[in-house]
This record gives sequence, C-alpha cells and structure tokens, in this order.
Amino acid sequence: GENVEQHPSTLSVQEGDSAVIKCTYSDSASNYFPWYKQELGKRPQLIIDIRSNVGEKKDQRIAVTLNKTAKHFSLHITETQPEDSAVYFCAAIATGGSYIPTFGRGTSLIVHP
Amino acid sequence: KAGVTQTPRYLIKTRGQQVTLSCSPISGHRSVSWYQQTPGQGLQFLFEYFSETQRNKGNFPGRFSGRQFSNSRSEMNVSTLELGDSALYLCASSFRTGINEKLFFGSGTQLSVL
Repeated sequence: GENVEQHPSTLSVQEGDSAVIKCTYSDSASNYFPWYKQELGKRPQLIIDIRSNVGEKKDQRIAVTLNKTAKHFSLHITETQPEDSAVYFCAAIATGGSYIPTFGRGTSLIVHP
Repeated sequence: KAGVTQTPRYLIKTRGQQVTLSCSPISGHRSVSWYQQTPGQGLQFLFEYFSETQRNKGNFPGRFSGRQFSNSRSEMNVSTLELGDSALYLCASSFRTGINEKLFFGSGTQLSVL
C-alpha cells in the first residue's frame, strides 16, 4: 500500500520567516495531494491541494509544489504569522483506485512572535 | 451550511466494552470516512461509506465496523475495547463525485479506554 513520509516532525520559525514541509509518497497511482491544518483542539481543515497534472499551486501565502518523478510534494508558507502555528498533515490519494487516503504523521509548526 | 457533526465529543469506557460513535455529514455529501488519530501514528484511515455501502477499508481489525444510513449519517462501532483503542476518532464527509474529493472533517470523538 501507499506510504507517506513527512518531515520535519517539528518546525520552529520566527514570525515573518518562511516554512517548508516536505512529504514523499511511494505509490505512483496517487494523484491527489491535499494539505490539512489542525489547530490545537480543533478539526483538520483543508488549506490547499494539488493534483498530479499540476506542478505548483498558490493561494496567498501558501503554495504547494509537486514532483511526480521524485514522488514528493512540499508545502511552503511565506511571511509566517503566529496564527499559522498548528499541526500540518499531508496526504496522498489515488482517486481512481481504492481511494484510501494515506496521511503523513504531521508537522508541528511553531511561529514565534 | 452546517458542518460535519460528531457525537459524543468525549467518551470514557473500560476494556471489553463496546462503543458507538455517530457522524452527520454536510448536507448533500454522500461519502463519510472515518479516521483514528493518535500522537504516535497520526491519522489512519478506517473505512469509507458511500450511499450506504462500504467502499474502502483500512488495515484495522474486525472489531472496528461501521454503517451508513439512507440520510448519509454514519455510525462507527468498536467492540471489545482495548487500551490501544484510546484515540481521537474523526469522521469526514465529501461529495465524492467526479473529481471532487475534498474532505471536510468533524471535531472528533475523544475515546479513552481505561
């Protein structure tokens, strides 16, 4: 089955810095890659997603890049703010197949004011 | 539009008991999937229901089961509880039609097994 590795497990940055979280996947059939943000005590919420026919997607301060050949995708957050502090999860899904979402173990992002 | 609703929010059970968790999806969503979240293992997929049929199942023992009703509401049952079942159980709903797979999560049920 699919295996998703996510790094780093913890990321500490100063407000205004950029943050990058990386995920690698193993199943070449995976074609949909969402990112979720989970604030402490709250539900995971989709912040951005990318499909395998696209190499990069941006939404204001957040961007995701995908390298299908290397089977890795990354979340980039620019000009970080304290409210960006949360756990971020990546996932890989093969939408045409069995559709079993495989999540990374999460990255705890801490943004210091 | 109301979000995904899970009840109860917290549960405390003892080993050997069974438990039923409930999930009401966003109106119009026909797919409900369930996940177990633990600090060590992250989010792990349990199963997915679509139009009352289980379409996919993760790698969990048969003690974990579920069902979906005609109004898309779903229940998850865990029998013969073990200490290791203590976790946050999240459900998510989606349209699951065409290429729209976006998942909307509920707030979860925190299960503690003593």
